[in-house]
Amino acid sequence: GEDVEQSLFLSVREGDSSVINCTYTDSSSTYLYWYKQEPGAGLQLLTYIFSNMDMKQDQRLTVLLNKKDKHLSLRIADTQTGDSAIYFCAERPPGTYKYIFGTGTRLKVLA
Amino acid sequence: EAGVVQSPRYKIIEKKQPVAFWCNPISGHNTLYWYLQNLGQGPELLIRYENEEAVDDSQLPKDRFSAERLKGVDSTLKIQPAELGDSAVYLCASSTSTGETQYFGPGTRLLVL
Repeated sequence: GEDVEQSLFLSVREGDSSVINCTYTDSSSTYLYWYKQEPGAGLQLLTYIFSNMDMKQDQRLTVLLNKKDKHLSLRIADTQTGDSAIYFCAERPPGTYKYIFGTGTRLKVLA
Repeated sequence: EAGVVQSPRYKIIEKKQPVAFWCNPISGHNTLYWYLQNLGQGPELLIRYENEEAVDDSQLPKDRFSAERLKGVDSTLKIQPAELGDSAVYLCASSTSTGETQYFGPGTRLLVL
């Protein structure tokens, strides 16, 4: 289908790891992105991965890419209350500047 | 370095009124995007500019929406007349010409009564 799919909600306890999953649509998408949106704010670019990579780590963030299954995940280690937000994955199909966003996963971190 | 700037942050208007949103991209970014974000959804592209040229406006409802980027820097998105269903967040983003990463502004939250 045409939709980038994400689960709607995730709740974790402070200090635990969070894993947010995404299934995208185009196996030849060149770039895949994770954005964070806090209430009343725009989208903040967290990290992105090029399609020839399987994993990318950036401090507490780890991105895993499974191109065969068109699956992208974002792991947040040692999740903090400040990580509470909506997380969007997005894909960029080849030959286009257009980003296709998922509907977002609302992460709630419990103290 | 300043990020993408948008104004106003919030706008409340009555239906059938016109409204305009302004965006100033990151300095040196010649590609500018306008997105629409409905409640509970991800952003959807309305229009993309390369410098002053609108190179992709296929998703822009041209009967009531218009946009311009006359000098290839800041941009204005206009709705005339506004309808109730236009209530949403209007996001502006910018990137370099490679488009590898897009950086978003804080958005304008529009409420049409």
